Amino acid sequence: ETGVTQTPRHLVMGMTNKKSLKCEQHLGHNAMYWYKQSAKKPLELMFVYSLEERVENNSVPSRFSPECPNSSHLFLHLHTLQPEDSALYLCASSQVELAGRDTQYFGPGTRLTVL
Amino acid sequence: AQSVAQPEDQVNVAEGNPLTVKCTYSVSGNPYLFWYVQYPNRGLQFLLKYITGDNLVKGSYGFEAEFNKSQTSFHLKKPSALVSDSALYFCAVRALGGATNKLIFGTGTLLAVQP
Repeated sequence: ETGVTQTPRHLVMGMTNKKSLKCEQHLGHNAMYWYKQSAKKPLELMFVYSLEERVENNSVPSRFSPECPNSSHLFLHLHTLQPEDSALYLCASSQVELAGRDTQYFGPGTRLTVL
Repeated sequence: AQSVAQPEDQVNVAEGNPLTVKCTYSVSGNPYLFWYVQYPNRGLQFLLKYITGDNLVKGSYGFEAEFNKSQTSFHLKKPSALVSDSALYFCAVRALGGATNKLIFGTGTLLAVQP
């Protein structure tokens, strides 16, 4: 609906599984973001890619591994997660031109449950 | 430290009445401010932003927000609420500096419009 799609929409995994979240933006943007949304907490920025280069990693545990193969696609690889990692994972994209003026557009999110 | 606060966890309003969702911020320098809305099981949708210029910003779905520099506020308003406006509303401020000029989000305000 906003030009940013995410798959899967729902994911249930055990702590020993390996899975990946996928994000695709159809807006021609040059930056992509991963956020974590947990109940009663502000959105937490996890990773930022600008021009396919990772420019920010906000002290995210190594069990989360991002990948940005091109400007339209962003992945979040998951392995050996913990139950507290259960959350809504949101992808966003923006066109970074004039500093700070860009608007981020979000996908619908992946609801992750870790058992 | 740069931050944004949404002092109300929930706002209740009757359909047809005006609504206000409050947001205050703390940044060094000029703020860039944003409002997003999140419907159940959906991602965040961009409503409006203030970058510079007119203090009254008009956005999607009849919403508007007023930037007040002296009170460091950016309250979201709508003259006549609809039941379909019921959702979670997030205020965000752009923190300039660093590699990405990240967005800092508030904790969200749940708007409930009663018929």
